[in-house]
Amino acid sequence: KQEVTQIPAALSVPEGENLVLNCSFTDSAIYNLQWFRQDPGKGLTSLLLIQSSQREQTSGRLNASLDKSSGRSTLYIAASQPGDSATYLCAVAGYSSASKIIFGSGTRLSIRP
Amino acid sequence: ETGVTQTPRHLVMGMTNKKSLKCEQHLGHNAMYWYKQSAKKPLELMFVYNFKEQTENNSVPSRFSPECPNSSHLFLHLHTLQPEDSALYLCASSQVEGGQGPRKSYNEQFFGPGTRLTVL
Repeated sequence: KQEVTQIPAALSVPEGENLVLNCSFTDSAIYNLQWFRQDPGKGLTSLLLIQSSQREQTSGRLNASLDKSSGRSTLYIAASQPGDSATYLCAVAGYSSASKIIFGSGTRLSIRP
Repeated sequence: ETGVTQTPRHLVMGMTNKKSLKCEQHLGHNAMYWYKQSAKKPLELMFVYNFKEQTENNSVPSRFSPECPNSSHLFLHLHTLQPEDSALYLCASSQVEGGQGPRKSYNEQFFGPGTRLTVL
């Protein structure tokens, strides 16, 4: 059974720092991995999707990497800003069943001005 | 309207009430999902509809009843809920490849803003 873990659960850094969020999964037979952002009480906003055949994806100040063999993905945020404060979730999708879309518990990120 | 919309955004109901949540997607996707997000717990998949057919039900109590009249609309009918059902209910859509076969591929999901449900 796939398990997705995000450590740490919470992170606070000063504005301007580069930072890395981690996502690990136990079953490497995935179709894709998706990173989301969630503001308090709101829905999820898709940030980046990495297909299983890809190693990384970039969008603006965000870069997501995927290492299937080690069961890890990282989300790199460059030059962090207070507006980046939110909870970041990763989700891995297996094949054949939507029940194999498994979410992590998220990392709550706070950027201090 | 673009993306995935949900109404209402907030709902307070008593345990004897009957209410419905509505979701609409404007992305041309063929699959829609209901998720439950409780405090300090990961998202829990409740139902999946693929080509208007319910393909998955994750052991959800019968007091939650989904309805998918077409590939763009999804409802969640609620009745005799319990206080522990209070949560953020999220709708999502995506494009699923593989048709009706066993080896489906679930692509990028897009979420609505959610309905914050409080059961008194």
